[in-house]
Amino acid sequence: GENVEQHPSTLSVQEGDSAVIKCTYSDSASNYFPWYKQELGKRPQLIIDIRSNVGEKKDQRIAVTLNKTAKHFSLHITETQPEDSAVYFCAASITRERSGGYNKLIFGAGTRLAVHP
Amino acid sequence: EAGVAQSPRYKIIEKRQSVAFWCNPISGHATLYWYQQILGQGPKLLIQFQNNGVVDDSQLPKDRFSAERLKGVDSTLKIQPAKLEDSAVYLCASSFDSRVEGNTIYFGEGSWLTVV
Repeated sequence: GENVEQHPSTLSVQEGDSAVIKCTYSDSASNYFPWYKQELGKRPQLIIDIRSNVGEKKDQRIAVTLNKTAKHFSLHITETQPEDSAVYFCAASITRERSGGYNKLIFGAGTRLAVHP
Repeated sequence: EAGVAQSPRYKIIEKRQSVAFWCNPISGHATLYWYQQILGQGPKLLIQFQNNGVVDDSQLPKDRFSAERLKGVDSTLKIQPAKLEDSAVYLCASSFDSRVEGNTIYFGEGSWLTVV
């Protein structure tokens, strides 16, 4: 099936705390997992991604972990700041052989993160 | 580098009317996507083009939605007739080539549709 579950749907933290968002996917053949940030009224923008050949990737205050056996991956934001407030979407790639072969992304439902000063 | 361009940004129509959205992808990107994002939900893929051909339209309501990318560059998404449940943001996106897994997908600002 084509499904990505994302939790929690809303997350409220104090500035400086850490935030963790978790996703599970259904297609065991998925190999690419991006995370997008969408500020209110703006376009979704890629903030970090991870491929199946690594278990963890970090970029300053953001890190993503992947457990392929359990088919879940997580976004970790440390030292949160008010500008981190946004909706975060996880996604998993699915490969299809028809139509000459292509890949598409299946998105989770999103997590609304609020960072309070 | 110019991003994905979409128009119009906002549209309000009555149910049963028609509407069309236009998208110009990033130059050189072979793959173009149309997503529907209903308030509070994640983007749902409606249709994916590789150059001027459709590779995936499995979730496109074909009785009312149509899309084309005739010259393999810009694209138009049409809804006719519109229903109340079509109220959403229609996001166009592009990537270099979806035949390669892991190409970054870049989104446009979206076209906000309200059906009343």
